[in-house]
Amino acid sequence: EPEVTQTPSHQVTQMGQEVILRCVPISNHLYFYWYRQILGQKVEFLVSFYNNEISEKSEIFDDQFSVERPDGSNFTLKIRSTKLEDSAMYFCASRFEGETQYFGPGTRLLVL
Amino acid sequence: QQQVKQSPQSLIVQKGGISIINCAYENTAFDYFPWYQQFPGKGPALLIAIRPDVSEKKEGRFTISFNKSAKQFSLHIMDSQPGDSATYFCAANRDDKIIFGKGTRLHILP
Repeated sequence: EPEVTQTPSHQVTQMGQEVILRCVPISNHLYFYWYRQILGQKVEFLVSFYNNEISEKSEIFDDQFSVERPDGSNFTLKIRSTKLEDSAMYFCASRFEGETQYFGPGTRLLVL
Repeated sequence: QQQVKQSPQSLIVQKGGISIINCAYENTAFDYFPWYQQFPGKGPALLIAIRPDVSEKKEGRFTISFNKSAKQFSLHIMDSQPGDSATYFCAANRDDKIIFGKGTRLHILP
């Protein structure tokens, strides 16, 4: 069964450093998303992406965040200058045309 | 208005019992209500979902009951098994994004 994959599974970085989280959505999917989950809290929407542009973003998704689909398979989330409060699990999701979003296993980001 | 409120925060059920998780929402613009199951270290996985024009949906041991007028919906897990031990999130879709509840940590005693 096709699935969303994410790399790396864990990332440790210093405050102020840039990180890029990578996702490979399911191959025929058209809509792509990033969510985050701070430890012990709920999953929060960050951004949706369709047709090579951002469809919607939350207030969390400020100028420090950017997304890109650099080729036909990868979907990336970049955090330009990480803060301590960016430490969280980041989930990529994708969907075809129905409502169901399929989530990847996540990248655990720790900012020191 | 964007919130989905979920209770209880944690739940312990004996094997074979019924697990019930409740959720409520405010925004009538939500048009799709999925439940996600999450195991430790994994991403949320869709368990079952319902639209607001349906009052109940059953898939195997999992049933969603939906009360549109009360803006409430619930997940029932019949004959709960230790393998059902996980965190469950109710959610609501609007404008192509999912709004999650805070989650219920379910533990099924063997």
